[in-house]
Amino acid sequence: QKEVEQDPGPLSVPEGAIVSLNCTYSNSAFQYFMWYRQYSRKGPELLMYTYSSGNKEDGRFTAQVDKSSKYISLFIRDSQPSDSATYLCAMVTGNQFYFGTGTSLTVIP
Amino acid sequence: NAGVTQTPKFRILKIGQSMTLQCTQDMNHNYMYWYRQDPGMGLKLIYYSVGAGITDKGEVPNGYNVSRSTTEDFPLRLELAAPSQTSVYFCASSLPTSGNLDEQFFGPGTRLTVL
Repeated sequence: QKEVEQDPGPLSVPEGAIVSLNCTYSNSAFQYFMWYRQYSRKGPELLMYTYSSGNKEDGRFTAQVDKSSKYISLFIRDSQPSDSATYLCAMVTGNQFYFGTGTSLTVIP
Repeated sequence: NAGVTQTPKFRILKIGQSMTLQCTQDMNHNYMYWYRQDPGMGLKLIYYSVGAGITDKGEVPNGYNVSRSTTEDFPLRLELAAPSQTSVYFCASSLPTSGNLDEQFFGPGTRLTVL
């Protein structure tokens, strides 16, 4: 079983839609839960992170963590074409990061 | 502040050739990492370093070597290139602080093809 599971998509939505991206994990030792955004042919960049169960909001983005179910989500409201990218979840324990495979998102104008 | 830079951007190698992927950061970060990213496989950690002179293996170290003689540089060496090493390689750096998230900053990547 992989440490982190993420549906690779691809996901295609119309502009203005609400997008839900999800990851599950198996390691209870994970301390931080992060979402990276990766544009085509670029390196990943940190979008949001949290370390506790519950919701964290930043503009149009909301990160949600449910430690009891070992499940994290990223919600994007009012999605824009500029949100088209691959979104990777990542989880941290100690010095090591464990990344999901990434979900490819396309927002159609 | 250039952040994390990687060279070259692209490279094609023949089987058995060797090469070094360069990574430099100018943020005075003490932690540096090398990942490979394959389609549908996510990012896999190859090696990491917590400071000059200190390196450690990640999840997929076989076929690679690293060194860390300075804080700024963390080169990745492929000695005998194999087709299985065709991938996109990302270097990252971070500055862990007690009680805070260790955010990694990524370079733009090196696309390597081994034929």
